[in-house]
Amino acid sequence: NAGVTQTPKFRVLKTGQSMTLLCAQDMNHEYMYWYRQDPGMGLRLIHYSVGEGTTAKGEVPDGYNVSRLKKQNFLLGLESAAPSQTSVYFCASSSPGAYGYTFGSGTRLTVV
Amino acid sequence: AQKITQTQPGMFVQEKEAVTLDCTYDTSDQSYGLFWYKQPSSGEMIFLIYQGSYDEQNATEGRYSLNFQKARKSANLVISASQLGDSAMYFCAMREGSGGSNYKLTFGKGTLLTVNP
Repeated sequence: NAGVTQTPKFRVLKTGQSMTLLCAQDMNHEYMYWYRQDPGMGLRLIHYSVGEGTTAKGEVPDGYNVSRLKKQNFLLGLESAAPSQTSVYFCASSSPGAYGYTFGSGTRLTVV
Repeated sequence: AQKITQTQPGMFVQEKEAVTLDCTYDTSDQSYGLFWYKQPSSGEMIFLIYQGSYDEQNATEGRYSLNFQKARKSANLVISASQLGDSAMYFCAMREGSGGSNYKLTFGKGTLLTVNP
């Protein structure tokens, strides 16, 4: 099925470890986003991309890096994980001018 | 200032009754879009309804309607004839700007709706 696929779905990290979350979409969408969801906080934008090779900071970018080397993929990296990064991470994609957003199923990350 | 405010952390409704979930927004843009998403306990984000700032009629999608009051900057979600499956977290979101800048979504903190049998 067409959509947004996030890998992995669950992960437990130790403080200081690094990891990369992968988001892949097959809808040829220009825009891609990484959000984090914390209890009582809604979804907050971490980083986003408006096209291949471009990225920009969102509301809560500290501690994260991103890359969009291919149009269909958007990677979120944690260089040195901290317990404060324990969260559910959502990737989403959209097209210019359209109002539809497609969300991935989320990645639940726990940093101990 | 928060761009999207959902003042009801939790709401309860009896099955088959209607319920209104509140959302107010803050923007200086003339062109913007308002969204409602449902997040059941399984965690996925489900799009419910969309209202554009220039749309004169309130949006409706089945049992969902959006009560859009532009002057008051409110975009309340009305669910008619509630069902047990409506129990979920509901998020209001806004996209500001138009054309090429029309992309980022800003979310409210959500309202947890519980439908009682």
